[in-house]
Amino acid sequence: GAVVSQHPSWVICKSGTSVKIECRSLDFQATTMFWYRQFPKQSLMLMATSNEGSKATYEQGVEKDKFLINHASLTLSTLTVTSAHPEDSSFYICSAWTGNRQPQHFGDGTRLSIL
Amino acid sequence: GQQLNQSPQSMFIQEGEDVSMNCTSSSIFNTWLWYKQDPGEGPVLLIALYKAGELTSNGRLTAQFGITRKDSFLNISASIPSDVGIYFCAGQSLNAGGTSYGKLTFGQGTILTVHP
Repeated sequence: GAVVSQHPSWVICKSGTSVKIECRSLDFQATTMFWYRQFPKQSLMLMATSNEGSKATYEQGVEKDKFLINHASLTLSTLTVTSAHPEDSSFYICSAWTGNRQPQHFGDGTRLSIL
Repeated sequence: GQQLNQSPQSMFIQEGEDVSMNCTSSSIFNTWLWYKQDPGEGPVLLIALYKAGELTSNGRLTAQFGITRKDSFLNISASIPSDVGIYFCAGQSLNAGGTSYGKLTFGQGTILTVHP
């Protein structure tokens, strides 16, 4: 149980392109989904918290117009990196949370490379 | 933002050896979690701890929730090559109402290398 599917697993695209990443909880409904960014050999850095049907809450320093988050249902959240540039290249990971003291369950991440 | 102090940063051990890593915090947490991340993948939950003093095992893994609620350790016994990866501790705290927003504070990670 507690499977989180993230798609695509990797993407390479040209500078200026917008890229959409999907995060789905397959066998449970998630109250909240979280989006992280991770640089090589570093810890996870929280970008934003997403609750179904409401606007995402962004961490300090994260541009909300750059990283658009949509949480249309209790099983799906999407992160769109708009007008991506090489500095946006990174490993993006989502997680899903059912609430209270339950642990977050993570997707397998998306490797984004902007040329 | 706030981070947990996780140590050691890296470990190089021989297959069969035991491993110990820990996390400390200046703040109290109500839940401690230990995750393992393989290269190119997302973190996978190993052990969740919910009560101060709690000692929980998952196969060769054992973790404890410190009595002060400000620390936790993870032990791996008789390491094998597939134990290689990055191990993260994470703490979750409750808000004033006694519920959780779910946000986690992560340690910096421990990179484990196991030589056959």
